[in-house]
Amino acid sequence: DIVMTQSPDSLAVSLGERATINCKSSQSVLYSSNNKNQLAWYKQKPGQPPKLLIYWASTRESGVPDRFSGSGSGTDFTLTISSLQAEDVAVYYCQQYYNTPLTFGQGTKVEIK
Amino acid sequence: QVQLQESGPGLVKPSQTLSLTCTVSGGSISSGSYYWSWIRQPAGKGLEWIGRVHTSGSTNYNPSLKSRVTISEDTSKNQFSLKLSSVTAADTAVYYCARYCGGCGVDVWGKGTTVTVSS
Repeated sequence: DIVMTQSPDSLAVSLGERATINCKSSQSVLYSSNNKNQLAWYKQKPGQPPKLLIYWASTRESGVPDRFSGSGSGTDFTLTISSLQAEDVAVYYCQQYYNTPLTFGQGTKVEIK
Repeated sequence: QVQLQESGPGLVKPSQTLSLTCTVSGGSISSGSYYWSWIRQPAGKGLEWIGRVHTSGSTNYNPSLKSRVTISEDTSKNQFSLKLSSVTAADTAVYYCARYCGGCGVDVWGKGTTVTVSS
């Protein structure tokens, strides 16, 4: 199994400031046939299912605000919220879909400072 | 737009079989190239992928659960289902059905259903 490790486990950021979440995979998730990283990011609020934010490591899902951006390649990835809003308080997960079993990071809780 | 809805018993006794159904609306389970998936989340914990059935009918399961899991589809009802046998308290979780589009992550999720394993 590919192990996904996120850091930090939680962070508190002031409104309007930048939030950065890291995700590291135990092996590369770069798919050579299309040169795309098989890595997604999700946002989950309490009592709700996760919501897809980003796929292929850096492609925003339709309707996702552009303050959310993803970067990285191979085994190291980052989700950045450029200007934190109150509605961004949530737990964020990375996930690899390079192979099965699909695996998720342990989650990063983002709060307002 | 495609929507998913889980249904099934909220309480299952230990050693019995957990059975859930996901009804797909707003689109056909047979069209496109999607993987219809089950994912679970114990209270206060992270997400665990259980397995999936492809539009073609092929299946993949998490090796940690493979001996106990069956995922199948019923195209006539536009549904897919999960069966998890020999359950224990460790199987208590919110169970989500979801659509995985292959190259673009899990883009549609059901609201989730809570299943408690208890006598």
